[in-house]
Order: sequence, then C-alpha cells, then structure tokens
Amino acid sequence: ELKVEQNPLFLSMQEGKNYTIYCNYSTTSDRLYWYRQDPGKSLESLFVLLSNGAVKQEGRLMASLDTKARLSTLHITAAVHDLSATYFCAVDGYGGSQGNLIFGKGTKLSVKP
Amino acid sequence: SQTIHQWPATLVQPVGSPLSLECTVEGTSNPNLYWYRQAAGRGLQLLFYSVGIGQISSEVPQNLSASRPQDRQFILSSKKLLLSDSGFYLCAWEGRNSPLHFGNGTRLTVT
Repeated sequence: ELKVEQNPLFLSMQEGKNYTIYCNYSTTSDRLYWYRQDPGKSLESLFVLLSNGAVKQEGRLMASLDTKARLSTLHITAAVHDLSATYFCAVDGYGGSQGNLIFGKGTKLSVKP
Repeated sequence: SQTIHQWPATLVQPVGSPLSLECTVEGTSNPNLYWYRQAAGRGLQLLFYSVGIGQISSEVPQNLSASRPQDRQFILSSKKLLLSDSGFYLCAWEGRNSPLHFGNGTRLTVT
C-alpha cells in the first residue's frame, strides 16, 4: 500500500525566514505533485515533478524530487504572510497516466509578521 | 480552455436523506474523473474514479456511490446519509501529464 508522509504537519514561521517541508513516499513513483489549499477553498496545483532530480521554482517556493530516496521537498524562501495555507504533496498511486493520487495529510503553514 | 463545475457549493442535509452532487467538465473529452473527500482538518481521500462513461472504480467501501452518465458528467450519490458523510467533497479531472484540476468543492454537513 502506498503511503505518503509529510512533515511537519504544522509549521509556524516568521516572515523573512526559510524553511523546508518534506514529503516521503513508500513505493516507486516518478510523478509527484504539490498543491496549495487556502482555508475553505479547493486545491490549487503548484508543481508537477515528473522525473528524478526535477526541480521547479515559482516565486518563493521551490520543489524538488529524489525518486531514489522517495523524497520530495518544498522549500520556502523569505516567507511572506500570503504563503499561509495548507500544502499537500501527492504521489501517483499506480505509476501511470490513469493512476490516482495518494495525498499526504498536508502541512499547515502559518507565516507571522 | 478546460473548466470544471461542481455544485452545490454548500449543503446541509439531515441524516437519512438522499444526496446528489454533480460535477461537469468543459473543454476536454474523455477525461478521467475523480471524487475526493476531505474530512475536517484532514487530507484527501479518493472515493471514486472513472475512466469513461459507465466505468466507475470505488476505492473505499462506504455509503456512497458514483455514476458517469455522460462523458463529462460525474455524479456522487447516497440513498441515506450518515453523520460520518459530512466533509468537503472535491471533484477533479485529470489531464495528460498534468496535475489534477479540482472543482471548487461542496461542503456537506449532515445533521
């Protein structure tokens, strides 16, 4: 059974600080996704990582994928309040284009002034 | 461009009442469609997925069912709601080598 574990589950940061969210998964997969969810809202896609060593950056967020270690990271640089949200990683459960995603429990990020 | 519509946005239903949530996708054909549920403060749980008309796969045995009467329509139903059915229900469609695209969700409260 594929398991996806995120840590930390809760993260309180000060503005301007850096931090990393980790996503470990338990079986072979080369497709990993990061989503953002604002309170009461749906999920918004942030990054799609499709191969080992993939790195993508958007603004203050950078995601990477190490398929050998079965690990993805979401790095936050110089956090700002607008980044406060819950971040989910998800792995393709069947490793194919018609697979389904297994989500981590999410990391609730709170950025304080 | 593709869009996904989900309704209603919020719903309050008594225990034992029926449920029907609808999701439609525009701008694409033969999409893979999904129903997820998110309980309060928790991650997402895949409920059903469909790769075509009339083709439904269930991931979790439960009080719910799904149907796909048309290519771009996906319906989540229940004959009798339970308190434990409360949650945030999200419909999604899948593009090739792209992330799932989620609808705005339906917040269901069973009282």
